[in-house]
Amino acid sequence: ETGVTQTPRHLVMGMTNKKSLKCEQHLGHNAMYWYKQSAKKPLELMFVYSLEERVENNSVPSRFSPECPNSSHLFLHLHTLQPEDSALYLCASSQALAGAGSYNEQFFGPGTRLTVL
Amino acid sequence: AQSVSQHNHHVILSEAASLELGCNYSYGGTVNLFWYVQYPGQHLQLLLKYFSGDPLVKGIKGFEAEFIKSKFSFNLRKPSVQWSDTAEYFCAVNILTGGGNKLTFGTGTQLKVEL
Repeated sequence: ETGVTQTPRHLVMGMTNKKSLKCEQHLGHNAMYWYKQSAKKPLELMFVYSLEERVENNSVPSRFSPECPNSSHLFLHLHTLQPEDSALYLCASSQALAGAGSYNEQFFGPGTRLTVL
Repeated sequence: AQSVSQHNHHVILSEAASLELGCNYSYGGTVNLFWYVQYPGQHLQLLLKYFSGDPLVKGIKGFEAEFIKSKFSFNLRKPSVQWSDTAEYFCAVNILTGGGNKLTFGTGTQLKVEL
């Protein structure tokens, strides 16, 4: 499979459940990102990993816990979520973060549609 | 904090009509600008980007965008839309201050093209 894949594509969970979202990239990139896409709100950057180190954590509640075991895989562990956490969670990848004044294009996965009951 | 505004949330056009989607950002320094498109059921994908040079950039599928620095704008245009352009369009900004690759997105514009 090519590009960025995400599993599952749809997830329904209760507030007391623990689940994980998985992202895999087949592009040889070494930076990965989690975004949250809620209805009528801008896409929000949640976490950034570069060379398997977390380099960005945008004040995300601790009930979301990312994990990047290697440059091709990214997980988002979920526990005791709230109904307002229902959203589309997008993963993206790029070449590793460059220094100031440069940018590497991000490629997005199809997302996981999460519903918290 | 920087922000990106897309003024049109829903746009409905007939085939062959011209399209212009507005995008404004609030940051006075150097930026990279992007338009992404999300077709129904598909991944978010890059439509076009501006880094430097000619402020009129051309992207895929006949789309273009013009960077007007004085207006902090990066509007998306297409002279004649097709039914297949029905999608959601997102404007995004990357601010070039330390640790690039941090995109700030607008809320998106849902475009529906009718036959």
